[in-house]
Amino acid sequence: SQTIHQWPATLVQPVGSPLSLECTVEGTSNPNLYWYRQAAGRGLQLLFYSVGIGQISSEVPQNLSASRPQDRQFILSSKKLLLSDSGFYLCAWSVKGSFTGELFFGEGSRLTVL
Amino acid sequence: GENVEQHPSTLSVQEGDSAVIKCTYSDSASNYFPWYKQELGKRPQLIIDIRSNVGEKKDQRIAVTLNKTAKHFSLHITETQPEDSAVYFCAALAGGTSYGKLTFGQGTILTVHP
Repeated sequence: SQTIHQWPATLVQPVGSPLSLECTVEGTSNPNLYWYRQAAGRGLQLLFYSVGIGQISSEVPQNLSASRPQDRQFILSSKKLLLSDSGFYLCAWSVKGSFTGELFFGEGSRLTVL
Repeated sequence: GENVEQHPSTLSVQEGDSAVIKCTYSDSASNYFPWYKQELGKRPQLIIDIRSNVGEKKDQRIAVTLNKTAKHFSLHITETQPEDSAVYFCAALAGGTSYGKLTFGQGTILTVHP
């Protein structure tokens, strides 16, 4: 069966420090991968998606970047964190090809920037 | 782009009552509408979905209705139970996309009182 893992689960970082959140998917190949952010009291906002290795699309201008160095690995990064980067970050995957309808989310990473 | 509005933001009901959450979308080309449930501190999980070629879908105590003309869809939960307490998100998928670029509503916090 397919599984998705992301880490770390919680992170407290000072303003201006770097960030790296990692996500891996097991049990499937060539998935579509996504990074969503959930700010407190808000819905899920799509930040990045990837349809293949090295292929990244950004949905909103921001202080973050994403990379996909391997087929089932998706990384969210920042060189210098801002207070507004605080939130709950969710990695997700979906089956390649025609979207069947379901996004499978990771456990989430709660980032607090102080 | 697509815009999804969700109401109410909070909903409190007594156990056994029904709960209804409503969403509107802006893009008439959207053709897929999932609902996700997120329990406190956990990942969102798909609970039901509907495609634009049907008007209603049921799965035990939950149902979703879609009015394409009015561009709105609703989640109905009957005989609510305390374990239904969670945040519920609606979402819409724009037509023509082959990946899960979902636009989510802001979420509804449902509390079911025993």
